[in-house]
Amino acid sequence: DSGVTQTPKHLITATGQRVTLRCSPRSGDLSVYWYQQSLDQGLQFLIHYYNGEERAKGNILERFSAQQFPDLHSELNLSSLELGDSALYFCASSPRTSGETQYFGPGTRLLVL
Amino acid sequence: AQTVTQSQPEMSVQEAETVTLSCTYDTSESNYYLFWYKQPPSRQMILVIRQEAYKQQNATENRFSVNFQKAAKSFSLKISDSQLGDTAMYFCAFMKLHSGGSNYKLTFGKGTLLTVNP
Repeated sequence: DSGVTQTPKHLITATGQRVTLRCSPRSGDLSVYWYQQSLDQGLQFLIHYYNGEERAKGNILERFSAQQFPDLHSELNLSSLELGDSALYFCASSPRTSGETQYFGPGTRLLVL
Repeated sequence: AQTVTQSQPEMSVQEAETVTLSCTYDTSESNYYLFWYKQPPSRQMILVIRQEAYKQQNATENRFSVNFQKAAKSFSLKISDSQLGDTAMYFCAFMKLHSGGSNYKLTFGKGTLLTVNP
């Protein structure tokens, strides 16, 4: 157990809908990273938050957004869902920002029908 | 941009034997970290080992060790005394270090599926 929690574990929804994925980092970790794992794209970085502030964006669609709250949990919001958004979404946390090991949560498996 | 290449999509090994997984990367950076993560059928991403580029000594964690060749940009993972529980997808990952920057994302290879046979 990495100490990172993600809810829900599974999510099935329809095209056009909006979902929210939640992540709680390890105790004391200030950084949260979101990654998407799909069959065609592999594991890709989406976005990084540090202590409530957005620090970097990767290949994140405009339909996707995220935030990190004062208690340091983070949410990834996916809207206007398309079939191609079906994937495993991971969050990872680390103590600060610089060159530290990222510990991954169990992931949320999203299926868009 | 950095790229990570794992040239072996699948490998298999007999229980108790040794296997080596290959990884090469492309970067112009001199300051970075390299990682191996495993993803068993549960889909959890689990850290196996980490190597700092400034360290010449290869990292070791129990049965897992790496062969880090900085000049060749090669970072292979050796698993000794393979166990059935080692069956998983293994991902090589690169993290660029910045001085004052803020993006410490991981860049992953496409993975090697390792099967340990009894």
